[in-house]
Amino acid sequence: DIQMTQSPSSLSASVGDRVTITCRASQDISNYLAWFQQKPGKIPNLLIYAASTLQSGVPSRFSGSGSGTHFTLTISSLQPEDVATYYCQKYNSAPGTFGQGTKVEIK
Amino acid sequence: EVQLLESGGGLEQPGGSLRLSCAASGFIFSSYAMTWVRQAPGKGLEWVSGISGSGGSIFYADSVKGRFTISRDNSKNTLYLQMNSLRADDTAVYYCAKGAGSTSWYQDSWGQGTLVTVSS
Repeated sequence: DIQMTQSPSSLSASVGDRVTITCRASQDISNYLAWFQQKPGKIPNLLIYAASTLQSGVPSRFSGSGSGTHFTLTISSLQPEDVATYYCQKYNSAPGTFGQGTKVEIK
Repeated sequence: EVQLLESGGGLEQPGGSLRLSCAASGFIFSSYAMTWVRQAPGKGLEWVSGISGSGGSIFYADSVKGRFTISRDNSKNTLYLQMNSLRADDTAVYYCAKGAGSTSWYQDSWGQGTLVTVSS
């Protein structure tokens, strides 16, 4: 099965900072990559699919890029409400493996 | 509005069985793949099993293959997960999630989850 590896596992940044999270696939998955946000004590929420398409209702400060094996999620200006764990997920075929998560905190 | 309501979780002994259900509403159930995703306490998300809209394609994570069975009843808008030979490492919140299409394996809506605890 294809493995998904995120980095870093956690980060701390200031409000207004640009934040980038990386997700790498062990094989080419084209653009079949989704990003989820899970706030503390809440259910996961879809942010981005097809590597770069913003889900309806998601703030425009979130963006995604990449294809093949290397992907990034960027928050252009970190806000207090962005404190959460972020997961990537590949979905070119089942199983839809998730990355291990990146915890984002405010400095 | 999409609604997914899981039920059936609880405390079970190692080796026991549980059946989870997920009642869906607000969309044409048979047109969408459905997935079970679990999250152990303090851990990340783990894709457990998925089933296509028609039920004709079924997939499992290696960790549950041979022990768990996913099914759906499109006449009742309900998804199921039969869990047998439960182990302590199956302890998790189990989420029912809707796929973005009939054979799409990412999830655009999630239920609130049901907690399964496996312990003696």
